[in-house]
Amino acid sequence: EIVLTQSPGTLSLSPGERATLSCRASQSVSTYYLAWYQQKPGQAPRLLIYSASSRAAGIPDRFSGSGSGTDFTLTISRLEPEDFAVYFCQQYGSSPLTFGGGTKVEIK
Amino acid sequence: QVQLQQSGPGLVKPSQTLSLTCTVSGGSISSGSYYWNWIRQPAGKGLEWIGRVYSNGNAEYNPSLRSRVTISVDTSKNEFSLKLTSVTAADTAVYYCARRGDLWGQGTLVTVSS
Repeated sequence: EIVLTQSPGTLSLSPGERATLSCRASQSVSTYYLAWYQQKPGQAPRLLIYSASSRAAGIPDRFSGSGSGTDFTLTISRLEPEDFAVYFCQQYGSSPLTFGGGTKVEIK
Repeated sequence: QVQLQQSGPGLVKPSQTLSLTCTVSGGSISSGSYYWNWIRQPAGKGLEWIGRVYSNGNAEYNPSLRSRVTISVDTSKNEFSLKLTSVTAADTAVYYCARRGDLWGQGTLVTVSS
């Protein structure tokens, strides 16, 4: 099983700042099979990024994904008020599919 | 557009079987190279993948739940289902169905309690 470790656990930032979220895998993940999700309270997760760097439909270009192998990054270039949420990474190339523990982006 | 609608009881007694269904509307469950997931999330915690099924009926499960889980698909009804047997309080969570990761159901809070 591939274990995904996200850091930091919580990120305290102000609107307009840049957010950098990390996802580290216990073994190599095929670049095509790493996704990022955003989740707000009481809502289902929303797909932001798939294949490590491809934005899902309707996702603003302030969200970008990068990385390969065991180290992946989600960057939000300038935080908007609606971006304060919890973010999860997921690998879906190896069964069982696994999620990281999440990073909460909160308003400073 | 394609939507996923979950149905099933929100309260299950310990040792009984949790059963949920996810109905696909606006498109065929058999179209495209999709797989159909069940995922759960205990309150205040992270996401746990339960398993997935393809439209041909092939299913894969999380080893941590494999002995208790069955995921099946009914293409004639355009739906797929989850059965989790011998539930305990540890199975209390919001359960989601999802098409790959791009489309999610609304979530169902399932509480295991007598």
